[in-house]
Amino acid sequence: DIVMTQSPSSLAVSAGETVTINCKSSQSLFGSVRQKNYLAWYQQKPGQSPKLLIYLASTRESGVPDRFIGSGSGTDFTLTISSVQAEDLANYYCQQYYDTPDTFGAGTKLELK
Amino acid sequence: QIQLVQSGPEVKKPGESVKISCKASGYTFTQAGMQWLKQAQGKSLKWMGWINTNTGKTTYAADFTGRFVFSLETSASTAYLQITNLKNEDMATYFCARWGFAYWGQGTLVTVSS
Repeated sequence: DIVMTQSPSSLAVSAGETVTINCKSSQSLFGSVRQKNYLAWYQQKPGQSPKLLIYLASTRESGVPDRFIGSGSGTDFTLTISSVQAEDLANYYCQQYYDTPDTFGAGTKLELK
Repeated sequence: QIQLVQSGPEVKKPGESVKISCKASGYTFTQAGMQWLKQAQGKSLKWMGWINTNTGKTTYAADFTGRFVFSLETSASTAYLQITNLKNEDMATYFCARWGFAYWGQGTLVTVSS
């Protein structure tokens, strides 16, 4: 199985800051046929189901604010949240869907400083 | 609008079985597969597998073979997850998610306690 290593595990931020969450896969997620990286990012608030933010590493899901930016390729990926707002405090997970089984990172908890 | 509505929380004893439902609405049920995921309290997500809602073909992740069964009631636009011979480690919230992961059920908490 592809192992997804996420860092940091938690992050304390103040409103208005820019934060970066990293995700590293144990093998490349780049598909040569479509020339895309099969990586997604999710936000999950307590007691809620995960919400898809980013897919194909950098494509924002409809309705997701443009302060959420996905980047990276191959094995190294980043979710950047610019000008963090209170409503962004949540857990964030990366997921690879390049190969079965889909696997997720351990998560990053975004907390208020 | 697309919605996935799961059945309510369950409390079971070890060795018992549980069947969780996931009712879809707002789209043609057979046009998108249904995925199932497990999330233990305070942990990340684990992909359990998926069911092709058109053919009924199932795919299970290695950790979810034997006691886990995905099924369909297509006429009711409903997918099911059944877990037999429940163990303590099955205690978790289970989610259904439409293929593509843009739509999720609200989750069903399964508590296993003697």
